[in-house]
Amino acid sequence: EPEVTQTPSHQVTQMGQEVILRCVPISNHLYFYWYRQILGQKVEFLVSFYNNEISEKSEIFDDQFSVERPDGSNFTLKIRSTKLEDSAMYFCASSVGTEKYFGPGTRLTVT
Amino acid sequence: GENVEQHPSTLSVQEGDSAVIKCTYSDSASNYFPWYKQELGKRPQLIIDIRSNVGEKKDQRIAVTLNKTAKHFSLHITETQPEDSAVYFCAAIPGSGNTGKLIFGQGTTLQVKP
Repeated sequence: EPEVTQTPSHQVTQMGQEVILRCVPISNHLYFYWYRQILGQKVEFLVSFYNNEISEKSEIFDDQFSVERPDGSNFTLKIRSTKLEDSAMYFCASSVGTEKYFGPGTRLTVT
Repeated sequence: GENVEQHPSTLSVQEGDSAVIKCTYSDSASNYFPWYKQELGKRPQLIIDIRSNVGEKKDQRIAVTLNKTAKHFSLHITETQPEDSAVYFCAAIPGSGNTGKLIFGQGTTLQVKP
């Protein structure tokens, strides 16, 4: 069964550094999402992406965040200047319609 | 605004007992309600979902009920087993569309004691 994949599984970075989190959605899916989950809390929506543009973003997704689909398979989330409070698990998800399938996540630790 | 409330935050049951988790949502236009199971350190896994044109859906030991008038939906797990222990999240898509973002509840940590 096809799955969403994400790399790296764990990223440690210093405050102020840029990070890029990578995702490979399921191949026939059209809608792509990033969510984050701070340890012990609920999953929060960041951004959705369709037809090569952002379709919706949350208040969390400020100017420090950007997304890109640089080729036909990858979907990336960039954080330009990381803050301590960006430490969380970041999940990519994709869907062809309603059902959303999540990747295994990247644990981002900002020190 | 868009909101999903979930209760209880923790639930402990004996193996073989039933477990019920309840959620309420704020957007009356919502029409898709999935449930996800998340084991420690793993991805959320879709276990069952329900659309607003039905009131109940079953899949083996799990079932979901929906009351659109009251804007609440529930997950029922029967004959619980230790491997059911996990965090369960309900979610809803705000608005009438089906491809939008998911709004998650706060999660319920289910512990099934052998």
